[in-house]
Amino acid sequence: GQQVMQIPQYQHVQEGEDFTTYCNSSTTLSNIQWYKQRPGGHPVFLIQLVKSGEVKKQKRLTFQFGEAKKNSSLHITATQTTDVGTYFCAVNGLYGGSQGNLIFGKGTKLSVKP
Amino acid sequence: NAGVTQTPKFQVLKTGQSMTLQCAQDMNHEYMSWYRQDPGMGLRLIHYSVGAGITDQGEVPNGYNVSRSTTEDFPLRLLSAAPSQTSVYFCASSYSTEFPLHFGNGTRLTVT
Repeated sequence: GQQVMQIPQYQHVQEGEDFTTYCNSSTTLSNIQWYKQRPGGHPVFLIQLVKSGEVKKQKRLTFQFGEAKKNSSLHITATQTTDVGTYFCAVNGLYGGSQGNLIFGKGTKLSVKP
Repeated sequence: NAGVTQTPKFQVLKTGQSMTLQCAQDMNHEYMSWYRQDPGMGLRLIHYSVGAGITDQGEVPNGYNVSRSTTEDFPLRLLSAAPSQTSVYFCASSYSTEFPLHFGNGTRLTVT
């Protein structure tokens, strides 16, 4: 099935520093989704990228989809303590007899020191 | 509008016991899925369903059964609980995987 590698696994930053997490696939992706999970919570959808080279921004968060649609990144500018959590990418995988189920990367756990 | 509702929130089982984790959604979503989350392993897909009467296996289906008799409900059954099934279980739904997944609050299961 589809595999997606996400790095780094952990990131500790000082408040105000930037943060980036990356997702890489060996195959071309149809799209990629990003989720955030706060400690003790459930994953919450952030954004979906579909087009080659697409860049989307949400306030201090910038999402990019690679030109070859095999990688993606999430960049947070000037982190705040509210950014703490685990960030996951998710891609369409292949299990059983059908395509179209979401496979998640292992996530990047972000901690922010005030 | 409740979204995705999972029950129970916490459960402790003894090895060999069986139980059903309940999941219901009120958004008329066709796609529903179950994930388990273990430290350092991300979210792993157990089973999924693309509509009532249709289910299929995900990455880690062994030891679990599902059924989808209605659009709203997608219960996950543990047949004979094992300590390796200690985990946090999330149910999620969507119109399809081209759309955002909506997650329930999770069930924290401990098998002793």
